[in-house]
Amino acid sequence: GEDVEQSLFLSVREGDSSVINCTYTDSSSTYLYWYKQEPGAGLQLLTYIFSNMDMKQDQRLTVLLNKKDKHLSLRIADTQTGDSAIYFCAETRTGGGNKLTFGTGTQLKVEL
Amino acid sequence: DTGVSQDPRHKITKRGQNVTFRCDPISEHNRLYWYRQTLGQGPEFLTYFQNEAQLEKSRLLSDRFSAERPKGSFSTLEIQRTEQGDSAMYLCASRQGGAENTEAFFGQGTRLTVV
Repeated sequence: GEDVEQSLFLSVREGDSSVINCTYTDSSSTYLYWYKQEPGAGLQLLTYIFSNMDMKQDQRLTVLLNKKDKHLSLRIADTQTGDSAIYFCAETRTGGGNKLTFGTGTQLKVEL
Repeated sequence: DTGVSQDPRHKITKRGQNVTFRCDPISEHNRLYWYRQTLGQGPEFLTYFQNEAQLEKSRLLSDRFSAERPKGSFSTLEIQRTEQGDSAMYLCASRQGGAENTEAFFGQGTRLTVV
């Protein structure tokens, strides 16, 4: 989606932290989401954050939201080879029927 | 209930033919969404239903596309007179509508190739 942007690729070593970034433009975003897509598999919801929160932590995942700059990030601690996938940020908007607007996706490659 | 299922998983068709895809949502979910994903892009919203009512259609949904959800359960997406540009993964998702933070569950998609 042209309203949600992400960098295309990220490569990290196993055990390091990964940080995937996303910027969005619509100020009426209500919830922001991170999805994971592996080859041949459907989209899997990893975590989400309400737009009036700054941070959410869920095991190895930390989401940071800077609403002023419309910037969202996903940090994966202790990245494993099984984390290799495409990660999409997405948003829902007020009055939008809960439909998701996705970013272009960031391909994460975890190297040994 | 094993989740959202889509049929077929793959479809190859000749340009100009009509195709129809089916989505079976999670049974208690009243909202059903169709998205399209082309290579290297994120999914793009096409349309959604609340029960049997189609509440919104994207500008991406040309006149050749039609979606139905006749009994508020499964849904079909038909593409008439297919074009090569229709080649994509068509994803279906369902959720329980109402609260904003209910999770949308996605099917594995139908990959359409128009030759």
